[in-house]
This record gives sequence, structure tokens and C-alpha cells, in this order.
Amino acid sequence: GAVVSQHPSWVICKSGTSVKIECRSLDFQATTMFWYRQFPKQSLMLMATSNEGSKATYEQGVEKDKFLINHASLTLSTLTVTSAHPEDSSFYICSAPRLALDSYEQYFGPGTRLTVT
Amino acid sequence: GQNIDQPTEMTATEGAIVQINCTYQTSGFNGLFWYQQHAGEAPTFLSYNVLDGLEEKGRFSSFLSRSKGYSYLLLKELQMKDSASYLCAVVDSNYQLIWGAGTKLIIKP
Repeated sequence: GAVVSQHPSWVICKSGTSVKIECRSLDFQATTMFWYRQFPKQSLMLMATSNEGSKATYEQGVEKDKFLINHASLTLSTLTVTSAHPEDSSFYICSAPRLALDSYEQYFGPGTRLTVT
Repeated sequence: GQNIDQPTEMTATEGAIVQINCTYQTSGFNGLFWYQQHAGEAPTFLSYNVLDGLEEKGRFSSFLSRSKGYSYLLLKELQMKDSASYLCAVVDSNYQLIWGAGTKLIIKP
């Protein structure tokens, strides 16, 4: 079953408004979560690394004031797209790594499809 | 720089076998993932290799050679539902994922 959830699964908003996307690890704690964006027919693009209890690390070219990330607990990270514009319409996906003694697994959320009108 | 290479697109026939290759050059290596992604959906985990060799999991197998910076995903007894993109990703020394652009696999009847 799913171990990382996202909410909402899809959202339509008007240009200029803000949208919050939640990412939760369901049965494990994740001190780190990753946020990706994927445009149609393109590969996943890492936007930022969310760290519990500290500031997120943003990839080059990603505006940290536009894409606000909050990792409030060991099971929840949120991405807020502020002042959304049509070009922000995309598929946003989070993932969380789970480290064990002899394994490293990376689980993806189901994604959130954002459409800005 | 860090680089992951995999073919852009491959075509195979239902019931056949296909091998999708991935070569990488990264700063450090802490394992390699293969994911399957259907259009409009998030990637789903297929395999994780950190040691050299072949790991078999049902119809799917994954191979790794760290000395050659090379991996492949082998799909047997292809089914139409296997039509998807297959993503290769390497975990670097900072435990970040470095992604390939993905291989779109088209299965024909």
C-alpha cells in the first residue's frame, strides 16, 4: 500500500492565488522529503529538499519566495505555491527516503496536478 | 558534472524481452533505482541495486556494474500494461537522487 500520501490530488486555482500541497509519510518518519515538478513528457525536476526543523534547500533557478516549503513534523511537509501563474501549472510530486540498516528506499507520493487559470 | 544516460524511446513486442540500459557518472554512489511511470501518474518503485550483480523480481530484473557505471533493467514476457516510461536514478554521495530523462517503452501487439 501507499506509504507517502499527497493532498490534494488535483487542484484548479485562479491566477494570483496561493495553493498548499501536503505530503505525508504514512508509516515512517522522514526527516527529509523531496519536492519535484514534472511538465508533460518531461523528466522529474527536483525543486527543493525539505528538512524537518530547518530551512529547505532549493535547487538553482527555483524561487524560494514563490515556492514556500515547511517541514513541520517528521511526517509532514507542505509546498505552497504563492501568487500562482498559468506557467506554474504542472504535476508536483513529493518523495521521502526511508533508510534501514541494509536498505535505502525512496517512496513517491501520488502527485498533485495543479492547473492555474 | 553528474550525468545519467538512457535511451529516449524503445519499442518491443508483447511477449518478448527488452533490456533498458542506463549509464551514469556521479559524485559518489549509494545505489541505483529503477522506477516505472505511467503517463499522468507518479513513479512507482521497481528495484534498488547497490551491489554488483543481477537481482530478479518476477518478470523484472535489474543488473548493476559499479566499475562500469552501468545498469540495465530487463523486462520479460512483456505485457501491454508495461508500456510506460522507465526512470533510472542514482543516489549520490549526499543521498540525493540524480535522475535520467527516462526511457519511453512502447509495447506493440
